[in-house]
Amino acid sequence: NAGVTQTPKFRVLKTGQSMTLLCAQDMNHEYMYWYRQDPGMGLRLIHYSVGEGTTAKGEVPDGYNVSRLKKQNFLLGLESAAPSQTSVYFCASKRGGLDEQYFGPGTRLTVT
Amino acid sequence: AQKITQTQPGMFVQEKEAVTLDCTYDTSDPSYGLFWYKQPSSGEMIFLIYQGSYDQQNATEGRYSLNFQKARKSANLVISASQLGDSAMYFCAMRGTRDDKIIFGKGTRLHILP
Repeated sequence: NAGVTQTPKFRVLKTGQSMTLLCAQDMNHEYMYWYRQDPGMGLRLIHYSVGEGTTAKGEVPDGYNVSRLKKQNFLLGLESAAPSQTSVYFCASKRGGLDEQYFGPGTRLTVT
Repeated sequence: AQKITQTQPGMFVQEKEAVTLDCTYDTSDPSYGLFWYKQPSSGEMIFLIYQGSYDQQNATEGRYSLNFQKARKSANLVISASQLGDSAMYFCAMRGTRDDKIIFGKGTRLHILP
């Protein structure tokens, strides 16, 4: 039981490049979330999903897209990376309702 | 819109003392849940405690308790008998019931002094 895993752990991009971050969970959770963490800003919700095939915008969705084609996977895409997207990205999942979230280890992304 | 406010960017506390981390929230949802997470320097997010808005009693988990004052919209985390390993970043979070967003405050960095 690996919990929530994120791929890759580190990445450096040049401005304008694209990439996809993968989040996978093996707990059969319905809900999945993508956050970014920046110094002094806490965690800010980018996009989330309440089930397979569904996605919704969070607090800071601009510049990102997501897909949830399979229940266990939640992909976060950056089509044209910008230096402002330099951050640590966390994925989280939860079973449902008011359950607590389980977090992945994070992905540190640097855009130069 | 939902909002979480943590007004203490940093705190220094002597080991073995109790510490209270402040959290206030704003929501128009009739029911909601409040969470606290710990993030040590290693970076992982660790769930600590949960309080439902209709729970009659304040939540407790070992040395952690949540001082929930619904009328004041506050959900402060109390850590009793602090330990050096409690040094970390602490985040308050909230989930409403109208949508499934879970939003976080900006966090409080707690330093426990030996």
